[in-house]
Amino acid sequence: QSVLTQPPSASGTPGQRVTISCSGSSSNIGSNYVYWYQQLQGTAPKLLIYKNDQRPSGVPDRFSGSKSATSASLAISGLRSEDEADYYCAAWDDSLSGPVFGGGTKLTVL
Amino acid sequence: QVQLVQSGAEVKKPGASVKVSCKASGYTFISYDISWVRQAPGQGLEWMGWISVHNGNTKYPQKLQGRVTMTTDASTNTAYMELRSLRSDDTAVYYCAREVTDCSSTRCQNARFDYWGQGTLVTVSS
Repeated sequence: QSVLTQPPSASGTPGQRVTISCSGSSSNIGSNYVYWYQQLQGTAPKLLIYKNDQRPSGVPDRFSGSKSATSASLAISGLRSEDEADYYCAAWDDSLSGPVFGGGTKLTVL
Repeated sequence: QVQLVQSGAEVKKPGASVKVSCKASGYTFISYDISWVRQAPGQGLEWMGWISVHNGNTKYPQKLQGRVTMTTDASTNTAYMELRSLRSDDTAVYYCAREVTDCSSTRCQNARFDYWGQGTLVTVSS
């Protein structure tokens, strides 16, 4: 059982906009930054969004993050086949004194 | 360019120990902390702990305390993670990741992992 809650799956067709939600509590998302990671099949996770809505250099602006209270969302616009991957949210948890992850959302591009 | 290169796959018997290495290059090793994250087959990501490369301080989640030890060797730019008393549910891919501290006006936190190793599969089986 992950501390942060994500839907197990999401899907969309090429060109569509999809969003992935991440729900937490006051001890994690409610009081700390949210991060998003993309994991392509068989590879290591890659940082996609940091500090709620910031993109590292090289991440396309099709990816955007937002946060409100104890929830966060990752939006992907202009969906492409190469976006098919697992997406994980993460945040620091004050109660556990460490970072916690969501269970991951498998994105399928139909 | 920043790279974290991990040691190869391991097969261990229950009760044994495993030590995974993570060699860093492309940046000043002591300027960034290292975390270890594992992923059981078909499962999500689990944080295993953190080490300050600068002073050797460590922090482990309660679940793993007493079984895990993280160390670094600044002379070779290498971080190590040792897990003891292995069980079948320790079978997983183990990742090292470079950590960046993010600070707001009121606090600092460590959940930004900007570079990851390629992963090391540890299989625990009798």
